[in-house]
Amino acid sequence: DAGVTQSPTHLIKTRGQQVTLRCSPISGHKSVSWYQQVLGQGPQFIFQYYEKEERGRGNFPDRFSARQFPNYSSELNVNALLLGDSALYLCASSLTRSDTQYFGPGTRLTVL
Amino acid sequence: AQSVTQLGSHVSVSEGALVLLRCNYSSSVPPYLFWYVQYPNQGLQLLLKYTTGATLVKGINGFEAEFKKSETSFHLTKPSAHMSDAAEYFCAVSPTLNFGNEKLTFGTGTRLTIIP
Repeated sequence: DAGVTQSPTHLIKTRGQQVTLRCSPISGHKSVSWYQQVLGQGPQFIFQYYEKEERGRGNFPDRFSARQFPNYSSELNVNALLLGDSALYLCASSLTRSDTQYFGPGTRLTVL
Repeated sequence: AQSVTQLGSHVSVSEGALVLLRCNYSSSVPPYLFWYVQYPNQGLQLLLKYTTGATLVKGINGFEAEFKKSETSFHLTKPSAHMSDAAEYFCAVSPTLNFGNEKLTFGTGTRLTIIP
């Protein structure tokens, strides 16, 4: 079975630009969570979506937004990029909100 | 509120030696506990998890961890280290079912180096 997939693998943006990251969950999983992992640190929770509704939000500014589609895939959008947004963005899927989360390979975002 | 403390940001062991990675947690509700491994330039792979029941949990690649409520610990061990174990290891906690806010809270990670 295919695991969690994310696209793109890498991307480079400049300050002030906007970016969209994509995630496809494991087949049958209805919950998607997004995490930001800055170099040298553990992942930090950004959002959780379940059944297409936002179910949890971490301590991130409103520049960060996300949505979940009817097929349970998800997008993470970041507006007005800052240098500090450079990080590995991880998507995790789970059967339901409280089941074990399985992670994708991540998208490496570099902001110049 | 939950938090995780991983003691030792870097641990080095000789090949064949015991691996011990320490994790202490704080949680206001009964926790679920996890260990994930991250190889360079990759995402996180689940090693093992504790939810309920037996406090000694066995995972993949010969790793195991023991949940000790009295010590609020969930240390990761492996009897004999292999070169392929070199990676970053993250301990994580989440609240149990029905407490809401099922996000994972991670520690800062421990980089494991294996000495040939």
